[in-house]
Amino acid sequence: QVQLQESGPGLVEPSETLSLTCTVSGGSISTYYWSWIRQSPGKGLEWIGYIYYSGIANYNPSLRGRVTMSVDTSKNQFSLKLSSVTAADTAVYYCAREENNGIVDYWGQGTLVTVSS
Amino acid sequence: DIQMTQSPSSLSASVGDRVTITCRASQGIGNYLAWLQQKPGKAPKSLIYAASTLQSGVPSRFSGSGSGTDFTLTISSLQPEDFATYYCQQYNRFPWTFGQGTKVEIK
Repeated sequence: QVQLQESGPGLVEPSETLSLTCTVSGGSISTYYWSWIRQSPGKGLEWIGYIYYSGIANYNPSLRGRVTMSVDTSKNQFSLKLSSVTAADTAVYYCAREENNGIVDYWGQGTLVTVSS
Repeated sequence: DIQMTQSPSSLSASVGDRVTITCRASQGIGNYLAWLQQKPGKAPKSLIYAASTLQSGVPSRFSGSGSGTDFTLTISSLQPEDFATYYCQQYNRFPWTFGQGTKVEIK
């Protein structure tokens, strides 16, 4: 059974960089697309972007310029960095596996990240 | 971005009721539509993809239909564990986008 687990700071100061890692267990990261999705009361569910195990990524244009994703196949992990954060970036962040581009079959449990000083 | 609009935003229903939720896309998306279920404090769970194909393990009381711009999720006989919020999601054109959700509450 594939499992995904997000990890990273729950509190980030404004203008700093949010960094999260998703660890994949029960399966190899060396296939499929791997996504980050966030959910906030104000904006609902928002797809941040996805990365293929090869490192090719596609980011939501609304966040482009602030988002970087990476994958570490040796650790079976993929990561998200979101720079210059504001209170609007406060959300529950989920990592997920796309069994086919756009179709999620596995989700992490989610991690709340609050942007505040 | 493709906008997804669900209706209703919420509904009250009883166990055993037939429930229908509608999702409309701002432009044609073929059958590139998924339905998800989310319970409070939990991650979404994928129910349906390709507008009508059930994910593995999803009960057959869930069904989906539609293509182009108009889609429907139907629960044929609502069960206690089905009270949740349901989202549609398009994956025809990136960024993939979600509807605002439909909360199904107990009457």
